[in-house]
This record gives sequence, structure tokens and C-alpha cells, in this order.
Amino acid sequence: ETGVTQSPTHLIKTRGQQVTLRCSSQSGHNTVSWYQQALGQGPQFIFQYYREEENGRGNFPPRFSGLQFPNYSSELNVNALELDDSALYLCASSLMWDEQFFGPGTRLTVL
Amino acid sequence: SQQGEEDPQALSIQEGENATMNCSYKTSINNLQWYRQNSGRGLVHLILIRSNEREKHSGRLRVTLDTSKKSSSLLITASRAADTASYFCATDASRANSKLTFGKGITLSVRP
Repeated sequence: ETGVTQSPTHLIKTRGQQVTLRCSSQSGHNTVSWYQQALGQGPQFIFQYYREEENGRGNFPPRFSGLQFPNYSSELNVNALELDDSALYLCASSLMWDEQFFGPGTRLTVL
Repeated sequence: SQQGEEDPQALSIQEGENATMNCSYKTSINNLQWYRQNSGRGLVHLILIRSNEREKHSGRLRVTLDTSKKSSSLLITASRAADTASYFCATDASRANSKLTFGKGITLSVRP
């Protein structure tokens, strides 16, 4: 097992609501990346955090935001949820720019 | 946008046969990584090959990289039913972070 954990496993929200997803990185890793994977597609990069600072962002609107804590765990927050936000959200941890190890994901459904 | 494009989109083989999957990409890269995903769960890291490497092995896996053709291949030898999954290639092209750009994936079915 990779040691990366995510919570919750599944989540159902309605349009306009806000959601917070959590990720605990693998021991010894200082970098966390978040990806969104729509059904039948490959994961798409949302953003990355390194030492509590955002270090790169993909093509996602500002209502997608994140945090990294001193213990390198991380949160992904999404405001004003839209139907298209329904997806599997994956967190990956790494030691700087090395191999990324993914958690099991959070399945978000927006109704 | 998705830089990596895997080929074929779907592959069905008999247990014991070899499976070859290909990936092409568009820009210069630092490294290329292959991942496996079972039934919409988390991604399992298989292998990383750096831009200055041409071939790597890990168990039954063999990965090649041709930077002149901007392509990579993943070979799984002596396939097993448990290899049934989706396989993704992901490229890391940034010098400032490790943003991975994934393709749409290949669905591999290994028949017992």
C-alpha cells in the first residue's frame, strides 16, 4: 500500500454547495498534488502544494482552492459546486519532483 | 488538455500472452510514468523512466522511451487475469513542479 489516505470515500452534494476533501500524504513526502478524474477520462491536474505553498496550478477556476498543513496533509475545497464537478478526486504525494503515489480517491457526486 | 495519447484504447488477450501498450506525447519531458487503475479506484504507480533513459525493467514490466519519436511503450509479459485494469501514461514536463499530464488510458482485459 502507498500510505496515502483520503477522506471521505464517497460524497453526495447538491449544486451550489461547498465541499472539503482531505488527504494524508505518505510518510516522508513533502509535496501533495490534486487531480480530477471524470468518468472514462485520465486524471487532470488541479494544483500542487510544496511546503505549504501552491506550486503550480492547472486549468481550474478559483473556486477550486487548497491548503497544505505543516504535517504535509492537504485539503481541497470546492465552492459553488456544479454538476460537472462530479468526478473522482485523487490526491498524490511525493518527495519533491519524484514518483507520485496516489490515494484511493474521493468519489464526489453533485446533484 | 491531455498530452499523452495511449494506443490501443482497448486490448483483450489470453492469460500468458504478452501485452504491449503505447503512449505518444507532444512536448519535451523530464520523465514519463506508467500507472494502473482498477475499476475507478486509486492509481498504482508502476514505473518511472527519465528522459535520459531508454529502457527500464521491473518484474514482468518493461518500459521503453524514445524521445526522438516522443513515444513510450509498456510491455507486460506472461499476463495474468489480475493484470486486468486501465493503464495510463503520464508525462512530467515542468521544471518548476511535478505536474503530471495523463492520457485517456488503455483498458486491458486478460481472459483466464
